[in-house]
Amino acid sequence: DQQVKQNSPSLSVQEGRISILNCDYTNSMFDYFLWYKKYPAEGPTFLISISSIKDKNEDGRFTVFLNKSAKHLSLHIVPSQPGDSAVYFCAAAYGGSNYKLTFGKGTLLTVNP
Amino acid sequence: ETGVTQTPRHLVMGMTNKKSLKCEQHLGHNAMYWYKQSAKKPLELMFVYNFKEQTENNSVPSRFSPECPNSSHLFLHLHTLQPEDSALYLCASSLGLRRYEQYFGPGTRLTVT
Repeated sequence: DQQVKQNSPSLSVQEGRISILNCDYTNSMFDYFLWYKKYPAEGPTFLISISSIKDKNEDGRFTVFLNKSAKHLSLHIVPSQPGDSAVYFCAAAYGGSNYKLTFGKGTLLTVNP
Repeated sequence: ETGVTQTPRHLVMGMTNKKSLKCEQHLGHNAMYWYKQSAKKPLELMFVYNFKEQTENNSVPSRFSPECPNSSHLFLHLHTLQPEDSALYLCASSLGLRRYEQYFGPGTRLTVT
């Protein structure tokens, strides 16, 4: 049973526009959420995170939104740049799980020049 | 060298071989992790070490044997593997078990023939 789901395997966006990556989760115990970015032949790189006590966290061009009632989070990238083209993983955790991260399958973002 | 390094980057081994994967982190972290990433599947946590002590074995077959001689080094010893064990093996570290943000190495692409 997949507790963290990224239902879009891929997303294509034009340079300069907004990219919106979505993630849904089923475990209401999750209290911390993270986004990772992965380029080919590299490991995932931590991007941005959000605690369940917040509904928004912003870092430069990246903003993560959390909707706890819908068990949904999203990552907004604006403006999108070709260098943002990568696989984006959503991950979730909670203290009761010994802080283990549960990952989604990832969404491949392609930003076209 | 900084961050999390892994060697080798690529490994091809037969089912009767014995090999080891190495991970080293230069971040001063105390927790280290082994993950497996198979095609079209989420990252799967295999083992967790905290201050050199194993705290988690996620029902991993005994043909995978981890070793953590100190907080900076982590090994994964492999023997009698199966073709379905072919995957990307990722090492990660975090400041401690109660810190959600994990930092990943580039991974070892393992092919079992």
